[in-house]
Amino acid sequence: NAGVTQTPKFQVLKTGQSMTLQCAQDMNHNSMYWYRQDPGMGLRLIYYSASEGTTDKGEVPNGYNVSRLNKREFSLRLESAAPSQTSVYFCASLGVGRGTSGRGADTQYFGPGTRLTVL
Amino acid sequence: AQSVAQPEDQVNVAEGNPLTVKCTYSVSGNPYLFWYVQYPNRGLQFLLKYITGDNLVKGSYGFEAEFNKSQTSFHLKKPSALVSDSALYFCAVRDRGSNTGKLIFGQGTTLQVKP
Repeated sequence: NAGVTQTPKFQVLKTGQSMTLQCAQDMNHNSMYWYRQDPGMGLRLIYYSASEGTTDKGEVPNGYNVSRLNKREFSLRLESAAPSQTSVYFCASLGVGRGTSGRGADTQYFGPGTRLTVL
Repeated sequence: AQSVAQPEDQVNVAEGNPLTVKCTYSVSGNPYLFWYVQYPNRGLQFLLKYITGDNLVKGSYGFEAEFNKSQTSFHLKKPSALVSDSALYFCAVRDRGSNTGKLIFGQGTTLQVKP
């Protein structure tokens, strides 16, 4: 069980370039999330997908697009990268179930992150 | 609007001493509350959560947290700190009535445990 995986681990882009961050989970979770982490600001939600075939904006969606390719995969695309998008990006998926049943229920599990620098 | 506050950017503790990392929240209704830990250059790891029931929640690595509804707080505690506990800690809250699972995070507190 690999959990949540992300590729690439590191990326350097020039302003205006595009790229896609990949995320996959093997826990059969329905909901998946993309966050960015900036110093002193915690994690902020970019987009999320409550279930396969649906996506919704989070707190900071501008400059990003997402695709929920299937139940396992949720990608984040930067169409025209800007220096303000320099950040660490985390993907997460949500454990199934409600309430206290099972350790995984109601808990988000995170990937190792992608460190992106836009010059 | 929902929010989470971690009032200390950094907490310094000597090894063997008790530690507390503070968290307060502002959410309508009764929230779900979480603590995560992030070691350098790693993703976030789940520590513990409060969903319902006993206000004192025990989690991984000897950590515990107490839900205090009247003070809207969920402070993280450990009786005896280890140097290996040094990391970045995040408190997070989720609206109990939401079916999206979205989390609101605090800004994080760096815990430094010195030998």
